[in-house]
Amino acid sequence: DAKTTQPPSMDCAEGRAANLPCNHSTISGNEYVYWYRQIHSQGPQYIIHGLKNNETNEMASLIITEDRKSSTLILPHATLRDTAVYYCIVRVATNAGKSTFGDGTTLTVKP
Amino acid sequence: NAGVTQTPKFRVLKTGQSMTLLCAQDMNHEYMYWYRQDPGMGLRLIHYSVGEGTTAKGEVPDGYNVSRLKKQNFLLGLESAAPSQTSVYFCASSSQSGTSGRARYEQYFGPGTRLTVT
Repeated sequence: DAKTTQPPSMDCAEGRAANLPCNHSTISGNEYVYWYRQIHSQGPQYIIHGLKNNETNEMASLIITEDRKSSTLILPHATLRDTAVYYCIVRVATNAGKSTFGDGTTLTVKP
Repeated sequence: NAGVTQTPKFRVLKTGQSMTLLCAQDMNHEYMYWYRQDPGMGLRLIHYSVGEGTTAKGEVPDGYNVSRLKKQNFLLGLESAAPSQTSVYFCASSSQSGTSGRARYEQYFGPGTRLTVT
């Protein structure tokens, strides 16, 4: 499975959009991009995933570049409750054995 | 629908003691996972299961054993606890297929078990 690179930390002003980048330059054609977040020390929570098209749901938007080597998670109107560690994971959907999370990006939303 | 539950929530063990962590899910998911998370780090996969009666090693399996005798339960055992196993343990489950006929493999996580080995 492809490795991912994320910045260790980011800040965002409350009410503004938070854009979290992820590089996955060795991604394969059948690998999905998943995003999860972990608030405080709770269990991670699924946010969104995609293969090659941009995706949007009630929580966030996922923008995947045309060459699929990078992606951006967008929280359109960040709130203080969005402060969390955000994990970008790239893997084949059926490969449960590669479900390992990296260190992620710590997003701090400031008033 | 409780989702994924873990028992116990907290535990302190002495070096050499054994214990079993229980994970239960009520979503009829095929896949289940055990992770550990050390302070300031991401989650690392210990063992996983793709179905009842089957288990496989993840990234950091040494010192742990697992069993999946029932589809809804996944047990993690520590036969002889060591201080290096002090960590937060998370269980997760996922389905082979999601809505709209598209496989999602979204993982649902439990609240975690905080284990300290002294």
